[in-house]
Amino acid sequence: RKEVEQDPGPFNVPEGATVAFNCTYSNSASQSFFWYRQDCRKEPKLLMSVYSSGNEDGRFTAQLNRASQYISLLIRDSKLSDSATYLCVVTNAGNNRKLIWGLGTSLAVNP
Amino acid sequence: DAGITQSPRYKITETGRQVTLMCHQTWSHSYMFWYRQDLGHGLRLIYYSAAADITDKGEVPDGYVVSRSKTENFPLTLESATRSQTSVYFCASESAGGDSPLHFGNGTRLTVT
Repeated sequence: RKEVEQDPGPFNVPEGATVAFNCTYSNSASQSFFWYRQDCRKEPKLLMSVYSSGNEDGRFTAQLNRASQYISLLIRDSKLSDSATYLCVVTNAGNNRKLIWGLGTSLAVNP
Repeated sequence: DAGITQSPRYKITETGRQVTLMCHQTWSHSYMFWYRQDLGHGLRLIYYSAAADITDKGEVPDGYVVSRSKTENFPLTLESATRSQTSVYFCASESAGGDSPLHFGNGTRLTVT
């Protein structure tokens, strides 16, 4: 089993749709979780951290389920500009500086 | 401007040559990282540095050398480039704040022929 697994997609959704991605992780001792966004051929950028209590930033909601070892990202009212690859990132349980990256989920929002 | 810059953006080199990728950040972040990104693999950590003169291996350090004589610079050297090192390389920095985000440079696309 990979340490961090994501459905690669692509997810094709119309503008205004709600879309959700899940990411599973294998190490129950992992401490920190993040979603990064990566546009084609560009560098990743932090979208949001994922807290135990869940967190929301505008149209984006992230949740953590430690019991089932997954994190989720919900995007409401999708915009064309949301088209990107979304990377799930988990800290290595033994070293918080060593992040474990998922392969990403590709999202295409269509007009 | 403040930020993190990588150079060159694109590099083509031959097998066996030494190549150095440069990374410079102006935030005075303590931590700096080198990643490579390849199809079928997530970002993989090559080396990281907690401060000047402190470096440590990541997941895939073989064939690479780093140094950090100054806080702002973290060059990555491929001592004898191989085709398997063809990749996109990202440098990143992070302040010593636990869950603080990584700030990435815009990447170097390296092709080894």
